[in-house]
Formats: sequence, C-alpha cells, structure tokens
Amino acid sequence: EIVLTQSPGTLSLSPGERATLSCRASQSVSNSQLGWYQQKPGQAPRLLIHGASSRATGIPDRFSGSGSGTDFSLTISRLEPEDFAVYYCQQYDSSPITFGQGTRLEIK
Amino acid sequence: QLQLQESGPGLVKPSETLSLTCTVSGGSIRSSGYYWGWIRQSPGKGLEWIGSIYYSGTTYYNPSLRSRVTISVDTSKNQFSLKLSSVTAADTAVYYCAKYTTEKNAFEIWGQGTMVTVSS
Repeated sequence: EIVLTQSPGTLSLSPGERATLSCRASQSVSNSQLGWYQQKPGQAPRLLIHGASSRATGIPDRFSGSGSGTDFSLTISRLEPEDFAVYYCQQYDSSPITFGQGTRLEIK
Repeated sequence: QLQLQESGPGLVKPSETLSLTCTVSGGSIRSSGYYWGWIRQSPGKGLEWIGSIYYSGTTYYNPSLRSRVTISVDTSKNQFSLKLSSVTAADTAVYYCAKYTTEKNAFEIWGQGTMVTVSS
C-alpha cells in the first residue's frame, strides 16, 4: 500500500498570500495517478487537480499542482476567503486507492 | 448534470450489516470509462477508500475491508450498493459514493455523504 504523508498538518495564512501544500508518497507514483481534493466543513470533497497538474473542470487557475515521483505539491497562488478548507492528496498508481491525512488551511 | 445520492439507515447495531445505496441521476451508470465507488470518513479523520464497481459488475476492494465488503450494481435502477458486515464502532463514519473517472484516475463527482453510526 502506498502511504501518502501530507505536510504541514495545519497551515495558517492570510487572504492574498500564497499557499504551498506538500504530499509525499512512500513509493514512486506515476504523474497521472495523483490528485488533490478540497473539503469544506459538512461537504463532500471536491476534485481540484488530477494527473498531478491538470485542473478539474471549473477550478480557478490560482490552483496549480506539480511534482513527480514521490514528491508532489499543490499551490494556491493568491488565497481567497473561500479557499480556507482541508486539502487531501490521493493516489491510484497501485491498489488500494489511498488518501493523505489532509492539510488544514486556516485563516491567520 | 450527474448527481449521486446515498441512502440507508443512519444507525446500525454492532455485529449487524451496514447497507447503503447510491442512486445516480442525470446520467447512466452504464457509461464506459467510469467506476462507481464508496469512500468513508470517520469523525474528525481522513478519507478511506472502501471499494469500486464497474457497471458490468467487476469489483475492486480495499484489502483492509475485503473480507466484510460487498459492492453490487443494479443497472436497471441506476444504482449501486454497499454492504459491510459485522460492523463495530470503528465503522462509524460518513459514507460517500462517488464517480471515478478512469481517464483522470480521480473521484470526479461525489454524493453529499450519509452519516452511519454503529451503536446498540
């Protein structure tokens, strides 16, 4: 099983700042098999990024994904108030599908 | 616009079987290129993939739950279902159904989730 470790656990930033979230895999993950999700309280996760760097339909271009191998990141270029949420990475390079434990992005 | 909706009991007794159904609307569950999956989230915890099914009936399960999980599909009703047997308090969670797009290798559309509590 591929274990995904996200860091930091909590990130405190202000609107307008840049956020960089990390996802490290316990073994190499093909680029096409890494995704990022946003989850707000009481809501289901929403797909942001697939294939490590492709934005899902309707996702603003301030969200970008990058990385390869075992190290991936999600960057939010300029934080909007609605971006404060929990973010999860997910892989399906090998079964089972696994998720990271999440990074909470909170308002500073 | 495709939508998914979970339904089923919100309370299940320990040792019994948890049963949930996901109804797909606005599109066909028989579409190629998509799997239909179940994911759960324990209170205050992260996301755990339970398993997925193709409309033909092919299933994939998380090894950690395989011995207790059955996922089935009813194409005539545009639904797929989850059964989890011998539940304990550790199975208390919000259960989501979701559409997995193979082209993107990601869960592209999610249901709103349903809370299931295991308690006597």
